[in-house]
Amino acid sequence: GEDVEQSLFLSVREGDSSVINCTYTDSSSTYLYWYKQEPGAGLQLLTYIFSNMDMKQDQRLTVLLNKKDKHLSLRIADTQTGDSAIYFCAERPTDSWGKLQFGAGTQVVVTP
Amino acid sequence: SQTIHQWPATLVQPVGSPLSLECTVEGTSNPNLYWYRQAAGRGLQLLFYSVGIGQISSEVPQNLSASRPQDRQFILSSKKLLLSDSGFYLCAWERGAGANVLTFGAGSRLTVL
Repeated sequence: GEDVEQSLFLSVREGDSSVINCTYTDSSSTYLYWYKQEPGAGLQLLTYIFSNMDMKQDQRLTVLLNKKDKHLSLRIADTQTGDSAIYFCAERPTDSWGKLQFGAGTQVVVTP
Repeated sequence: SQTIHQWPATLVQPVGSPLSLECTVEGTSNPNLYWYRQAAGRGLQLLFYSVGIGQISSEVPQNLSASRPQDRQFILSSKKLLLSDSGFYLCAWERGAGANVLTFGAGSRLTVL
């Protein structure tokens, strides 16, 4: 099974906010990431947060990290049809440099 | 700026045939290089990583192998493909020790029939 868990599907109306949730297991993780994958394409880094931060905001994206609960979330404000994609949460344990642990991905569908 | 290239983008191969997927990175030197596989509807599984020429570490036992003949070239191979090797293969790179951002290529979709 996955060490990083995400819900598999999210449907949201255009203009609303999307919130994608993720739980991870390794409390030593130094960085946590959100990647976006559009159909047939590779993964695009959206944002990442260092483990000593609680929140990071980048334009329409807000990442919240709750280390106590090992919970990470990605909020997309004013969701657009171009935001329809699969979103992957990933953690980087302390001793693993590039060996990221990925969740199974959340399919986000934006409806008009 | 740095770019990463993978090819071929799409490949259909019969069971038992060989495989070679290639990945190259431009605009950097001595990158860490990675091969991930994404099975349908699932997350990414790390297959191999390399911190330098000729240095390959395997994460899972399997029918595949990797090689790094040059600093910015990473090759995924198989001598005889299995049906279970079908999937989406992603190459990724990051700067050497201390880096924290993994950048992915566009992926290679392999279908084994």
